[in-house]
Amino acid sequence: SQTIHQWPATLVQPVGSPLSLECTVEGTSNPNLYWYRQAAGRGLQLLFYSVGIGQISSEVPQNLSASRPQDRQFILSSKKLLLSDSGFYLCAWSQGAGNTEAFFGQGTRLTVV
Amino acid sequence: GQQLNQSPQSMFIQEGEDVSMNCTSSSIFNTWLWYKQDPGEGPVLLIALYKAGELTSNGRLTAQFGITRKDSFLNISASIPSDVGIYFCAGQGGSEKLVFGKGMKLTVNP
Repeated sequence: SQTIHQWPATLVQPVGSPLSLECTVEGTSNPNLYWYRQAAGRGLQLLFYSVGIGQISSEVPQNLSASRPQDRQFILSSKKLLLSDSGFYLCAWSQGAGNTEAFFGQGTRLTVV
Repeated sequence: GQQLNQSPQSMFIQEGEDVSMNCTSSSIFNTWLWYKQDPGEGPVLLIALYKAGELTSNGRLTAQFGITRKDSFLNISASIPSDVGIYFCAGQGGSEKLVFGKGMKLTVNP
């Protein structure tokens, strides 16, 4: 069966520090991968999605970037965090090829102080 | 871009009551999904709909894919305290990405 792992679960970082959140999927190959941000416990904003290694689509201009160095690994990064980057970050995967059922990780609660 | 309007934004009900929520879109979707999110957790997929007019049940949950392909609803019958959470609709149009509604926060009073 497929599983998705996202870590860390919580993170407190100072303004101006770098960020790296990692997400890995097991039990499937060539998944579509997604990073979402959820502010104030409501609404999921799509940040990035990837349909293959090295292929990243950015949905909104922001202080973040994403990379997919391996088939089942998706990384969310920032060089310098802003206060406004605080939020709940969710990684998700789907099978792609017309199957858009997305399955989410447990999320990372990021607080920038 | 595609947007989903989800309503209501919140509901407070008594245990045992039924709940109904819906999502509408300004554009046609090929897929409608319904998720539930518990506090501090990632959303969990409840029901997936792939055909216009499709009516699907999962236990006490029933969801339908609207005939126009621009709307979907989710019903929860005989609510119980563990139904508490945020319910999201999500739709997929012509690309590989899902668009999410803003969520409906459900509170069930015992």
